[in-house]
Amino acid sequence: DQQVKQNSPSLSVQEGRISILNCDYTNSMFDYFLWYKKYPAEGPTFLISISSIKDKNEDGRFTVFLNKSAKHLSLHIVPSQPGDSAVYFCAAAHNTDKLIFGTGTRLQVFP
Amino acid sequence: DVKVTQSSRYLVKRTGEKVFLECVQDMDHENMFWYRQDPGLGLRLIYFSYDVKMKEKGDIPEGYSVSREKKERFSLILESASTNQTSMYLCASGQGAGANVLTFGAGSRLTVL
Repeated sequence: DQQVKQNSPSLSVQEGRISILNCDYTNSMFDYFLWYKKYPAEGPTFLISISSIKDKNEDGRFTVFLNKSAKHLSLHIVPSQPGDSAVYFCAAAHNTDKLIFGTGTRLQVFP
Repeated sequence: DVKVTQSSRYLVKRTGEKVFLECVQDMDHENMFWYRQDPGLGLRLIYFSYDVKMKEKGDIPEGYSVSREKKERFSLILESASTNQTSMYLCASGQGAGANVLTFGAGSRLTVL
């Protein structure tokens, strides 16, 4: 049973526009959420995180929004750049338990 | 910089062979993890360890075992490789208890023929 879901396997966005990547979860006990970015032939790298006591966290061009009532989080990238082209994974955890990852969304930013 | 090193980037093995995947981290992290990445399935946790000689099953431990004899090293063992274990294997380490920011290695792509 997939507790963390990324329903869009791919997303294509023009350079300079906003990229919005979505993630849904089923376990209401999750209280810590992260986004990772993965380039081909490399391991995932941490991008941004948010705890359940917040509904927004911002770091430069990246903003994560959390809607606890909808069990939904999203990652906004503004403005999108070609170097952002990668696979993005959301992950969630409860308290100090292990991370559960989603299935990933492949973002392509074209000129 | 935290570094997680997976010694084998690409391996090709035959069905039934024993396979060792090695992972070393250099930041004295307590926690180490093994995931596999498959298209459409994301990252799935195989095993993890919170301390030397300790191991915990993840979501898909069947067909795998692990060894953590030293804090910096976490090995994944496939006792008898099968074709459905063809995958990208990712090792990660992290500090503190449980959920935290993980640092991943570059991955080991295993093909079982």
